[in-house]
Amino acid sequence: RKEVEQDPGPFNVPEGATVAFNCTYSNSASQSFFWYRQDCRKEPKLLMSVYSSGNEDGRFTAQLNRASQYISLLIRDSKLSDSATYLCVVKGGTGGSYIPTFGRGTSLIVHP
Amino acid sequence: DTEVTQTPKHLVMGMTNKKSLKCEQHMGHRAMYWYKQKAKKPPELMFVYSYEKLSINESVPSRFSPECPNSSLLNLHLHALQPEDSALYLCASSRPTGGKTEGANVLTFGAGSRLTVL
Repeated sequence: RKEVEQDPGPFNVPEGATVAFNCTYSNSASQSFFWYRQDCRKEPKLLMSVYSSGNEDGRFTAQLNRASQYISLLIRDSKLSDSATYLCVVKGGTGGSYIPTFGRGTSLIVHP
Repeated sequence: DTEVTQTPKHLVMGMTNKKSLKCEQHMGHRAMYWYKQKAKKPPELMFVYSYEKLSINESVPSRFSPECPNSSLLNLHLHALQPEDSALYLCASSRPTGGKTEGANVLTFGAGSRLTVL
């Protein structure tokens, strides 16, 4: 079983739609969770950290479910500019490892 | 503008060449990383430096040789590469704590060096 798993998609949605991605992780001792966004041929950029209490940034909401070991990203009112690959990143574990583990990414295509 | 600067942005080299990729950050981060990314794949960790010491080598072939001259600089020396080594090479940095604080240790990536080996 991979350490961090994501559905690669692509998720193909119309503008204005709400779309949600999940990411599961296998290491129950993981401590830090992030969503990164990567545009084609560009570097990954931090979209948001994910906190136990859940957090929201504009149209984006991230949630963490430690019991079921998954994190989610909800995008409301999708824009064409949201088209990108969304990478789930998990850090920390036994011994306090700070090495990040990436999921394979979920591709989102927002169309007019 | 990214706070992690990588040069060159593009590099084409032959299999017998020796070249270097450079990475610089001035955020005071003491952990620096090299990743390799192929098309439609996630970044794949190669090396991690923590406080200028190599702490992780993910079984990378010796034709890739990292170097951390100081806390702001990270180099990747390339020699006798193969065509399959063609990829986007990403440098990243972070604070190297154990990550016990939620949201800690955010990775900041450079724009990458796109390498083509002929």
